Amino acid sequence: DTAVSQTPKYLVTQMGNDKSIKCEQNLGHDTMYWYKQDSKKFLKIMFSYNNKELIINETVPNRFSPKSPDKAHLNLHINSLELGDSAVYFCASSQEGYSGNTIYFGEGSWLTVV
Amino acid sequence: GQQVMQIPQYQHVQEGEDFTTYCNSSTTLSNIQWYKQRPGGHPVFLIQLVKSGEVKKQKRLTFQFGEAKKNSSLHITATQTTDVGTYFCAGPNSGGSNYKLTFGKGTLLTVNP
Repeated sequence: DTAVSQTPKYLVTQMGNDKSIKCEQNLGHDTMYWYKQDSKKFLKIMFSYNNKELIINETVPNRFSPKSPDKAHLNLHINSLELGDSAVYFCASSQEGYSGNTIYFGEGSWLTVV
Repeated sequence: GQQVMQIPQYQHVQEGEDFTTYCNSSTTLSNIQWYKQRPGGHPVFLIQLVKSGEVKKQKRLTFQFGEAKKNSSLHITATQTTDVGTYFCAGPNSGGSNYKLTFGKGTLLTVNP
């Protein structure tokens, strides 16, 4: 069974469109994350939720809006997509959110904006 | 803010050669973690080091945490083609958030068979 699953895996869309990426974890973890990995492989945290509460909101454009309906799900909605949004978006989870705990990553969602 | 720097950015070796990647933090870390990302894959946790001067081994991989807890290294002995990938170190944020890891930019290892 996949521990952290996200959909879709691949997404090609035009500039200006709105798209969503869904994520679910079955590990029973309290904390979930969205990371962005650009073409240079740099992994940068975007958001973190702990028990459905937003606890980390990095300098991310307002066009990005996370939503956590429950602690097992964290979705990412992106409005008015831009070329620079092209990247791999990784959902992840960890237990209790303590930085010393292992982060489990999903397989990634490859977003290409054309 | 906290910075975690990794060198080298790229390393190409012949199969059987050794490989080392280094990680340096601008601040003292409570712990450091290492992840491996295969090409086209996702980061996968390898290990966590907590104690000053700690050394841990996983088969051909040796991980070290510096005495000052500001640097770390990953050494692979006798590389194999299965070692190909990007190795990331990550340390917890020192700015008060316990929920944030700062990742280094990674070292991409390629192995020539």
